Amino acid sequence: GAGVSQTPSNKVTEKGKYVELRCDPISGHTALYWYRQSLGQGPEFLIYFQGTGAADDSGLPNDRFFAVRPEGSVSTLKIQRTERGDSAVYLCASSSGLAGRGETQYFGPGTRLLVL
Amino acid sequence: DAKTTQPTSMDCAEGRAANLPCNHSTISGNEYVYWYRQIHSQGPQYIIHGLKNNETNEMASLIITEDRKSSTLILPHATLRDTAVYYCIVRVAPGTPGNNRKLIWGLGTSLAVNP
Repeated sequence: GAGVSQTPSNKVTEKGKYVELRCDPISGHTALYWYRQSLGQGPEFLIYFQGTGAADDSGLPNDRFFAVRPEGSVSTLKIQRTERGDSAVYLCASSSGLAGRGETQYFGPGTRLLVL
Repeated sequence: DAKTTQPTSMDCAEGRAANLPCNHSTISGNEYVYWYRQIHSQGPQYIIHGLKNNETNEMASLIITEDRKSSTLILPHATLRDTAVYYCIVRVAPGTPGNNRKLIWGLGTSLAVNP
């Protein structure tokens, strides 16, 4: 079946601009996660949704970052007034959200954001 | 901070078994061990996970020591396509009171499979 998809695959923007990154989770998955990965580092957690609500946004670095999931499926990560330090790969993952053994997160290919 | 330690890099000959170690000496009784890998320029790919028993699937085997303080991921017949960064992660089971579901990643092991 279809996996997690993310659009765009690459985004180049200028410092100070606003960007939106989109994630389409696996159908039926209620949990959705955003991570950010800088070059040479492991992914870093940003935010987690269970359904429509953000259950944990402790990883968002500052108030320029915001994410929504209005219908409990597609999610959008929004970055205002982008800075060069925001350049990274933004990864989205989804899971069934069910308690129990494991609850595996499945990842999309990521969006590569470059802020000039 | 990541709760696991892994070697920075490893090499393996094509066709041979690749054994990737992971130390998680502070693991709690309700924490699972997960393995993911990330091929260059792709998103992380789930491999396998376990609690205390050894596990095997079509991709790999996971051997967890009896005291659960370390584990080994085994790729039985490594191919060039297995060249990737392999991440070992520990996390509590969803539904555990106070659990947060985020994965905390270290730097992983960069595995190079050589022809």
